[in-house]
Amino acid sequence: QKEVEQNSGPLSVPEGAIASLNCTYSDRGSQSFFWYRQYSGKSPELIMFIYSNGDKEDGRFTAQLNKASQYVSLLIRDSQPSDSATYLCAVTPPGANSKLTFGKGITLSVRP
Amino acid sequence: DVKVTQSSRYLVKRTGEKVFLECVQDMDHENMFWYRQDPGLGLRLIYFSYDVKMKEKGDIPEGYSVSREKKERFSLILESASTNQTSMYLCASSPGTANQPQHFGDGTRLSIL
Repeated sequence: QKEVEQNSGPLSVPEGAIASLNCTYSDRGSQSFFWYRQYSGKSPELIMFIYSNGDKEDGRFTAQLNKASQYVSLLIRDSQPSDSATYLCAVTPPGANSKLTFGKGITLSVRP
Repeated sequence: DVKVTQSSRYLVKRTGEKVFLECVQDMDHENMFWYRQDPGLGLRLIYFSYDVKMKEKGDIPEGYSVSREKKERFSLILESASTNQTSMYLCASSPGTANQPQHFGDGTRLSIL
């Protein structure tokens, strides 16, 4: 059973802090990794993707991938109340081509 | 930007009705997907299609069918709606090349009474 785990929620941080969201996956050969943001009542919106080990930065967001340890994380710097949402981690398992396996999400609350 | 359009934002139907949910994408994507999302259960794949007239079952296909007669349109059909099919339904599309992200429509919140 291919699994994507997001266990450390809900998460609450003060405005301006760094929010760290973690995700682990079970299938070692997974190829690509995505972070989606979902506001309450809305659909998921792609915010980051990463394919190679290391860090990838985009504005206040940094995705980190460690394939040896099978985890991917999302750091949000200078967190804003508008970042309050559920963040979904998604993984492409080997051989799945276009299908994604989603975690159940972590809810982030940024306190003003 | 990718645009995935779902025909209804909110829909209320009665048990036993045949329900059609429509999804259209404008980016010439080969792959299209139907999910349902329920609190505590996350996103669950119902069906997906990787080409016109092609379909594959996802994790929870029971009680649903799909149709893809044109590349841009993917329809989800509830053959005989039941109350346990009350949910948020999300359509997504992605290019045919491997390891691409999926792009979601706004979702249809379906209530079966």
